[in-house]
Amino acid sequence: SQQGEEDPQALSIQEGENATMNCSYKTSINNLQWYRQNSGRGLVHLILIRSNEREKHSGRLRVTLDTSKKSSSLLITASRAADTASYFCATGSNSGYALNFGKGTSLLVTP
Amino acid sequence: DTAVSQTPKYLVTQMGNDKSIKCEQNLGHDTMYWYKQDSKKFLKIMFSYNNKELIINETVPNRFSPKSPDKAHLNLHINSLELGDSAVYFCASSPNGPAYEQYFGPGTRLTVT
Repeated sequence: SQQGEEDPQALSIQEGENATMNCSYKTSINNLQWYRQNSGRGLVHLILIRSNEREKHSGRLRVTLDTSKKSSSLLITASRAADTASYFCATGSNSGYALNFGKGTSLLVTP
Repeated sequence: DTAVSQTPKYLVTQMGNDKSIKCEQNLGHDTMYWYKQDSKKFLKIMFSYNNKELIINETVPNRFSPKSPDKAHLNLHINSLELGDSAVYFCASSPNGPAYEQYFGPGTRLTVT
């Protein structure tokens, strides 16, 4: 069953601006992951944050996790046209052997 | 040196046919998955195998049958294809379960006419 729910569904910004995407989930997790999907391609793992972590950075990416609110956010700083893609959050399933993905946020970065 | 590969990349076939999609990973991972992505980009787990054993079989019609001949391969066979099977199918792998990042293949776009 679907676990993550991203917000907004679509986001359009200009190069150089920051992009923030949010994810809410329903049940307990041991980690939350963010993936990127370029048009017509497979998903690429961006960052994994464990349930005992509150914030994580990777390059221009910053992820926060609030387990009390069951929510996470992904911040991309200084966006580039190449960041144009769909971004998905994903959480581990109850069985522990698959990820439950949200519907994704479609990000468009214009030059 | 592709990590997770799938063949074919595109598959166009008629209703009622039987088709297979192959997946191979060269990462030495223990766990492999099949996901289905619909036209609205929603990704849903179909199957998960760990060390060649079926772990997850979500609510998927039994026309779909996964086969894992060894740890590096997880193939998907689909019988009696229906229009609703049209989607993009992704294979993925991870070291051992979703506590780790998953590596996705490029996807197979299946179109049933």
